[in-house]
Amino acid sequence: AQSVTQLDSQVPVFEEAPVELRCNYSSSVSVYLFWYVQYPNQGLQLLLKYLSGSTLVKGINGFEAEFNKSQTSFHLRKPSVHISDTAEYFCAVSDHGKGAQKLVFGQGTRLTINP
Amino acid sequence: GAGVSQSPSNKVTEKGKDVELRCDPISGHTALYWYRQRLGQGLEFLIYFQGNSAPDKSGLPSDRFSAERTGESVSTLTIQRTQQEDSAVYLCASSLFKSGELFFGEGSRLTVL
Repeated sequence: AQSVTQLDSQVPVFEEAPVELRCNYSSSVSVYLFWYVQYPNQGLQLLLKYLSGSTLVKGINGFEAEFNKSQTSFHLRKPSVHISDTAEYFCAVSDHGKGAQKLVFGQGTRLTINP
Repeated sequence: GAGVSQSPSNKVTEKGKDVELRCDPISGHTALYWYRQRLGQGLEFLIYFQGNSAPDKSGLPSDRFSAERTGESVSTLTIQRTQQEDSAVYLCASSLFKSGELFFGEGSRLTVL
């Protein structure tokens, strides 16, 4: 069965500093990978996704993630964060064979940006 | 509206009562999902509908939980004889088939006293 581990439940960062949110997954098959973001009092929205092709994926708001198959990781990065990036971030995985259908989510990482 | 709509946004009920949560997906989205998010935890898959195929019910935690979907439109999630551990935010999402991009509603917060 698939599972997703987000290694940090909370990450405090100063404004304009770089950030990395870590995500590891376990799956015995090829996968699709996703990062979703949940801003305060809002629903989840897609930040970026890896389906195939280049292992470096760029998303909205300056975020990017790199798929590393050998390390089964899909870490999310941003070189310089803003106060508006304060949110909960969820990593998710889906079996390639299931065509990106049933997504399994991690526990989430709460990113807090301090001025 | 253009997004996924869920109702009610908040529901407080007494232990043992039945509750019904409703989801209106984005028009044209054939796939519909229900997830549960307990306080401080990740999203827990409950059930998935795709077109006229049999739903994937593998995430439903007990037989007190059931869900229906009318064609490719509205879905209702029913919880019978609610328990305190059912307290959570219930999230609905829809997507185009195999797109991988789920569009989420804002959730229904259920509190069981």
